Amino acid sequence: AQKVTQAQTEISVVEKEDVTLDCVYETRDTTYYLFWYKQPPSGELVFLIRRNSFDEQNEISGRYSWNFQKSTSSFNFTITASQVVDSAVYFCALGLTNAGKSTFGDGTTLTVKP
Amino acid sequence: ETGVTQTPRHLVMGMTNKKSLKCEQHLGHNAMYWYKQSAKKPLELMFVYSLEERVENNSVPSRFSPECPNSSHLFLHLHTLQPEDSALYLCASSPRQGVGQPQHFGDGTRLSIL
Repeated sequence: AQKVTQAQTEISVVEKEDVTLDCVYETRDTTYYLFWYKQPPSGELVFLIRRNSFDEQNEISGRYSWNFQKSTSSFNFTITASQVVDSAVYFCALGLTNAGKSTFGDGTTLTVKP
Repeated sequence: ETGVTQTPRHLVMGMTNKKSLKCEQHLGHNAMYWYKQSAKKPLELMFVYSLEERVENNSVPSRFSPECPNSSHLFLHLHTLQPEDSALYLCASSPRQGVGQPQHFGDGTRLSIL
C-alpha cells in the first residue's frame, strides 16, 4: 500500500532562515509521481511541483528547491531565506499510476515569524 | 482569480437541512474532485469525475451526493449531515483524470454542522 509521511507536524522559523520540509513515501510501484502543494490560511491548495519517479534531478525555483532521492524514498522541500508569506500548510503527495489517484501526507504547518 | 471557484465559502447548517456546495472551473479541465479536510486528519478524497462520469467513490456516506452536469461544474448535495461532517470541503480539477496530473484547487467551503 502507498503511504506518505510528513514527520514534521509544525515548524516555526524566523524570517530569512532556511527551512526544509521532509517527505518520505512508501510504494512498491516503480512508476509514480510526487507532488508538493501549499495551503495558505485562505484554504486553497496551490500546486508547487511534480516529479516523476524516473527523474531524480533536483530542481530549484527561486527560493524553493526540491531534493528527490529514490534510495531513501524521500522528496524534501527547502525554502531558502524564508518570508512571512511562506507561512502555510505544505502537503506532499504520491501519485500511483495503478491507483489512479494521489495519496496525501498529513501536512506540515510552517510558521515564519518576522 | 483562481481558476476553480467554490461557493459558498462558509456554510452553517442544521442536521436536518439540505444544501449544496458548488464548484466551477474555468481551466478547460476534464477531471474534477471533491476532498474533505478535517482538523488534524489527512486530506480525504471523496469523489472523482472524469468527463462527467464518476470514476471513484471512496466509501463516502450516502448523505453526500455528488453531481457533475458538465465538465466545468461539480456539486456536492448534502442532507441529514452529522456533526462530524463539519470540515473544509475542497474542490479540485486537473486536465485529465490520472495520477500524473497536477490538481488545481478552489478556496474550499468551510462547513459547520450544528
